[in-house]
Amino acid sequence: QVQLQESGPGLVKPSQTLSLTCSVSGASISSGYYYCDWFRQSAGKGLEWIGRVYTSPGPNYNPSLKSRVTISLDTSKNQFSLNLNSVTAEDTAVYYCATSRGNYFDSWGQGILVTVSS
Amino acid sequence: DIQMTQSPYFVSASVGDRVTITCRASQGISSWLAWYQQKEGKAPKLLIYAASSLQSGVPSRFSGSGSGTDFTLTISSLQPEDFATYYCQQASSFPYTFGQGTKLEMK
Repeated sequence: QVQLQESGPGLVKPSQTLSLTCSVSGASISSGYYYCDWFRQSAGKGLEWIGRVYTSPGPNYNPSLKSRVTISLDTSKNQFSLNLNSVTAEDTAVYYCATSRGNYFDSWGQGILVTVSS
Repeated sequence: DIQMTQSPYFVSASVGDRVTITCRASQGISSWLAWYQQKEGKAPKLLIYAASSLQSGVPSRFSGSGSGTDFTLTISSLQPEDFATYYCQQASSFPYTFGQGTKLEMK
């Protein structure tokens, strides 16, 4: 069974970069069988898909965030990461990582609350 | 982006009731639809994929139907553990989008 765990700072200052890591166990993300995605959930915007990374081809991002987001794989550590730059209070949310074998998400991390505030 | 609209926003029901939640897509998505259950403070849990396929381990009282733009999630006989918020998700095209959620509350 695939297990995921998000980690990173819970507080980020406005205009800075939000950086989160998702550690995966029970599956190898370098196998090519898994897509690795990030989501977020806030009271104002509900559940929002941020983007995905895969071994090949390159990542796909939500156009609403594309100019600020980078998702990357670290296959040596079986992790993937999210960087979101120039954050504002509107980026305050619970961030989830998830994996799938296609377009449906059956494995999720527990979520991490990130607050953007000075 | 494909907009997903769920109804109703809230459902008040009792144990043993049959409950139906609907989800409408702003354009046709064939059967590229999933349903998730989310409990307070927890991650979403996949219940139904491809509109009507039951995810492994999910009780058979959950069922999904529909194709194109109109979909339904049905819980045939509510159990105490089913009181939660339910979301639909379109998986037809990027960006993946979700409905706003339907909160199922105990009457």
